[in-house]
Amino acid sequence: KNEVEQSPQNLTAQEGEFITINCSYSVGISALHWLQQHPGGGIVSLFMLSSGKKKHGRLIATINIQEKHSSLHITASHPRDSAVYICAVSRVNYGGSQGNLIFGKGTKLSVKP
Amino acid sequence: DAGVTQSPTHLIKTRGQQVTLRCSPKSGHDTVSWYQQALGQGPQFIFQYYEEEERQRGNFPDRFSGHQFPNYSSELNVNALLLGDSALYLCASSLFSGFKPQHFGDGTRLSIL
Repeated sequence: KNEVEQSPQNLTAQEGEFITINCSYSVGISALHWLQQHPGGGIVSLFMLSSGKKKHGRLIATINIQEKHSSLHITASHPRDSAVYICAVSRVNYGGSQGNLIFGKGTKLSVKP
Repeated sequence: DAGVTQSPTHLIKTRGQQVTLRCSPKSGHDTVSWYQQALGQGPQFIFQYYEEEERQRGNFPDRFSGHQFPNYSSELNVNALLLGDSALYLCASSLFSGFKPQHFGDGTRLSIL
C-alpha cells in the first residue's frame, strides 16, 4: 500500500461544478502539500498546510490530522482548472527543510465547457 | 526574479551512457531536491542537497549521484543508463530553515533508447 493515496485517479466535470479530490496518508508528517501539474510537466505548489483549512481564490484545502486525511476543493470549476492535482506529504525529519516529499499518484482533472 | 531553472529540457540517450542534468534554484533558496517522475506516476524523491552535502536520499541506486555548488546550483548525474531511467526529472528548491513550500522547475525529460 502506498504511503499517500489519492482518489479519484481521474475526474471529469462540467464547467461550474464543485470538485473534491481526496488524499489519505499513513506516515507521520510535518506538512501536507497540494500541487498542480500541467501537461508540460511543471509543478506549482497550491497549498502547504499542517492543520485546519486554507483558501486561495476558488481553491480550498482542508486537513484532518487525526484521521490522516486531506481534501482539495475547487468551487465553480473552469476548463483552465484542467490539470493533474497531486497530494504530497513532508515526513517529520531533522532540520526545517520540507524536502523528501512523498507523492500520491495524482488526480487527472478535466473540466468540460 | 527567476524561478527554478533546469537544463536541458529534453535529452535522448542510449543504454549504458551517462547523463548530467542541471538545476539553478530560485533566488534566495539554499536547498535543492531532485525527483524522478515516471509516466503516469507521482514523483519519487532521489536526494536533497544543502551546504554542498547530500542530506537525504531516497531509494535510488548509487548510479544516481549529485553535487551542489557554492552558488547553490546542483547537478544530477546518472551512470550506466537503463531503459527504466526514462522519466521526467524534477528539481525543487527551498530554504532549509524555512517552513515554506518547495518551488519546482519545469523538469528535464530524459528518454533512453
